[in-house]
Amino acid sequence: KAGVTQTPRYLIKTRGQQVTLSCSPISGHRSVSWYQQTPGQGLQFLFEYFSETQRNKGNFPGRFSGRQFSNSRSEMNVSTLELGDSALYLCASSAWTLDTQYFGPGTRLTVL
Amino acid sequence: AQSVAQPEDQVNVAEGNPLTVKCTYSVSGNPYLFWYVQYPNRGLQFLLKYITGDNLVKGSYGFEAEFNKSQTSFHLKKPSALVSDSALYFCAVRGNSGGYQKVTFGTGTKLQVIP
Repeated sequence: KAGVTQTPRYLIKTRGQQVTLSCSPISGHRSVSWYQQTPGQGLQFLFEYFSETQRNKGNFPGRFSGRQFSNSRSEMNVSTLELGDSALYLCASSAWTLDTQYFGPGTRLTVL
Repeated sequence: AQSVAQPEDQVNVAEGNPLTVKCTYSVSGNPYLFWYVQYPNRGLQFLLKYITGDNLVKGSYGFEAEFNKSQTSFHLKKPSALVSDSALYFCAVRGNSGGYQKVTFGTGTKLQVIP
C-alpha cells in the first residue's frame, strides 16, 4: 500500500503571499490531519478532516484553512503568510478519526 | 487544556542495556496515548498506542509502554537497546479540548544508543 504523499516537498514564499499544500492519504483512510512542526513549538495540531468535513481543530488563526475532497485528498491553505509560518507541515492519515496516524514526509515552507 | 510532558530532552543508553523514555500527560476523560518515532530524514512512524485494557502495551521493533493511571504516565521501554534505535521519540495524547478532539504531542526525546 502506498504511503502518505505530500506535495510540494519544499516551498519558498514571501510575507503576505498565500500557499496551498497538498496531501494524499493512504488508500481507504478517511481521516486527514495537519500539523505544524517548528523547533520552538514542536508538533502542533492544526485540524482534521474526515469525509470532507472539518471534524476537529487546534488553536491556529483563521489564516490556516483546509479542505478535503471526495477521494480523501486534502489541501491546506495559509493566507497572508508571516515569517513565523516557516515550518515543516506534516499531513497524517488514519482509518478513523485521530486514531493511529501515518505521516507523510512533510512540506518545508520557508517564508522570507 | 491537555498536555504532554517529556522531561528529558535526551536519553543516552549503552547498546544492550534497557531503555526508558518518560512521558506524563494531562487530559480530560479517558486518555488515548501514542508513541511515535522520527528517524533522521524520515517521517514520523507509529510505534504503539494505549486505548484501554492491559496496562502494558507492546508495539513495533520490540518496544513496549506501561500505562499508569495514578501517575498519569506512559513510559516507553525496551529491554535491550540497539544502535538503530537512535532517533527522536514523541509521546502524544488524544483528548477533548474546547469541544473538539485534538492530538497533543510532547516536545520529543532524543534517544542516543552508544555502541
